[in-house]
Amino acid sequence: GAVVSQHPSRVICKSGTSVKIECRSLDFQATTMFWYRQFPKQSLMLMATSNEGSKATYEQGVEKDKFLINHASLTLSTLTVTSAHPEDSSFYICSARAVSYEQYFGPGTRLTVT
Amino acid sequence: GQQLNQSPQSMFIQEGEDVSMNCTSSSIFNTWLWYKQDPGEGPVLLIALYKAGELTSNGRLTAQFGITRKDSFLNISASIPSDVGIYFCAGQAPTGANNLFFGTGTRLTVIP
Repeated sequence: GAVVSQHPSRVICKSGTSVKIECRSLDFQATTMFWYRQFPKQSLMLMATSNEGSKATYEQGVEKDKFLINHASLTLSTLTVTSAHPEDSSFYICSARAVSYEQYFGPGTRLTVT
Repeated sequence: GQQLNQSPQSMFIQEGEDVSMNCTSSSIFNTWLWYKQDPGEGPVLLIALYKAGELTSNGRLTAQFGITRKDSFLNISASIPSDVGIYFCAGQAPTGANNLFFGTGTRLTVIP
């Protein structure tokens, strides 16, 4: 149980285009999902907290107009990187919170902006 | 956001040896979680701890929630090559916030 999927696993896009990443909790409902960014050899950095049916809460320094988050249902949250630039290249990971405080992570999405 | 102090940063051990790593915080936590991350993958939950003093095992892994609620340790006994990876601790603060605070990670290498 407690499986979280993420799609796509890898994406390469051109600078200036937008990319959408999907995060799904497959076997449980998640009222809260989280989006993280991870640079090589570093820990996870929380970008935003996504609550079903309401606006996401962004961490300080994260541009909400650049990283659009939608949590339309209890099993799906999406992150759209708008007008992507090479510095947005990173490993993006989502997680979904179960009834307890345990968070289950997706497998991650490797974004490369050329 | 807040990061937890995790040590050691990296470890090189011989297969069969036991491993110990720990995490400390300047503030108290209600929940401690330990994750393992393989390269190019998302973290996988290993053990969750909910009460101060709690000692929980998952196979060869054992973790404890410190009495002060400001620390936790993870032990791996009789290490095997597939234990290689990065181990992260994570804590849930008693502030009502949903998010976890993560440790800086311990990179484990097991030499066959």
